[in-house]
Amino acid sequence: GAGVSQSPSNKVTEKGKDVELRCDPISGHTALYWYRQSLGQGLEFLIYFQGNSAPDKSGLPSDRFSAERTGGSVSTLTIQRTQQEDSAVYLCASSPQAAQETQYFGPGTRLLVL
Amino acid sequence: GENVEQHPSTLSVQEGDSAVIKCTYSDSASNYFPWYKQELGKGPQLIIDIRSNVGEKKDQRIAVTLNKTAKHFSLHITETQPEDSAVYFCAASYDYKLSFGAGTTVTVRA
Repeated sequence: GAGVSQSPSNKVTEKGKDVELRCDPISGHTALYWYRQSLGQGLEFLIYFQGNSAPDKSGLPSDRFSAERTGGSVSTLTIQRTQQEDSAVYLCASSPQAAQETQYFGPGTRLLVL
Repeated sequence: GENVEQHPSTLSVQEGDSAVIKCTYSDSASNYFPWYKQELGKGPQLIIDIRSNVGEKKDQRIAVTLNKTAKHFSLHITETQPEDSAVYFCAASYDYKLSFGAGTTVTVRA
């Protein structure tokens, strides 16, 4: 079956612009996660959704970052007024429920802020 | 929060030899330990995971061991092949949030 999909696969933007990154989880998965992977680094947790609710936003780096999920499916991560340090790969994952479930990752969106 | 350390950061092995990657974690509450393989330009792919109620798990050429007392776990790849070349990440969790190690770049020399 279809895995987690993300779009766009690559995004180049200018400093100060807003960007939207999209994630389509595996059908039926109620839990959705966003992670950030900076060059040569491990994965950093950003936010977790259970259904449409985000009980844990603790990893969002600043108030320029926000995310939403609608219909218990698609999620959008928005970065406002992008900065060069926002350049990274943004990964989305989903799991059937939540705790202790295997997380399946998408291919990521590579964001470059010039 | 959980802190996961992973060693080595790079590993070069001859094809057919074994590769071992080690991770330590800080939070004794962690009870789920997955390993992911990431190829260039792709997202991480789960290759094996272990839960705290077992000490070892094996899947063909891949095995993971867990020592909860010492708070460390290891990935063992036997009979390495060129397609095993990738970046490998360990992670630890006690709920939904995975804390990842910094990754190990494995190169298998033909």
